[in-house]
Amino acid sequence: GAGVSQSPSNKVTEKGKDVELRCDPISGHTALYWYRQSLGQGLEFLIYFQGNSAPDKSGLPSDRFSAERTGGSVSTLTIQRTQQEDSAVYLCASRPSGDTQYFGPGTRLTVL
Amino acid sequence: QQQVKQSPQSLIVQKGGISIINCAYENTAFDYFPWYQQFPGKGPALLIAIRPDVSEKKEGRFTISFNKSAKQFSLHIMDSQPGDSATYFCAATWGATNKLIFGTGTLLAVQP
Repeated sequence: GAGVSQSPSNKVTEKGKDVELRCDPISGHTALYWYRQSLGQGLEFLIYFQGNSAPDKSGLPSDRFSAERTGGSVSTLTIQRTQQEDSAVYLCASRPSGDTQYFGPGTRLTVL
Repeated sequence: QQQVKQSPQSLIVQKGGISIINCAYENTAFDYFPWYQQFPGKGPALLIAIRPDVSEKKEGRFTISFNKSAKQFSLHIMDSQPGDSATYFCAATWGATNKLIFGTGTLLAVQP
């Protein structure tokens, strides 16, 4: 079956612009996560969605970052007024009822 | 307390040899310890995982050894192959959210 998909695969933007990153989780997976992978910070948790519950936003690094999940499926991570330190690979993962998280290929964001 | 410390940062092993990667944690609330494998340009993929009620888990050539009293766990790759060359991340999680706390990663190179 299809895995987690993310788009775009690469995004180059200018400092100060807003960007939207999309994640399509595996069908039927109730939990969805966003992580960020960068050379300086490694792999870090950003936000977690579970069903209709309020998201766990505890990993978002600043109020420029936000995410939503519509209809319990597709999720969008938005970064406003991008900064150079936002350059990283943004990874989405989804999870069924068990423990295993399934990761997408990521979106590589470059802020010039 | 939320950190997972991983070593070594990089590892070179000859084909057929044993690769060993170590991780340590502080938070005794962690209750699930997965290892993820990541190839360049791909998202992490679950390799093997363990819960703290067992001291060892083996799946094929991959074994996790877990020492609860020392708060340490390790990944052993037996008969290492060039195809095992990748970055390996240990992780830990707890509770219902299952948000992953990752180690810093180990870049493994298996020489033919």
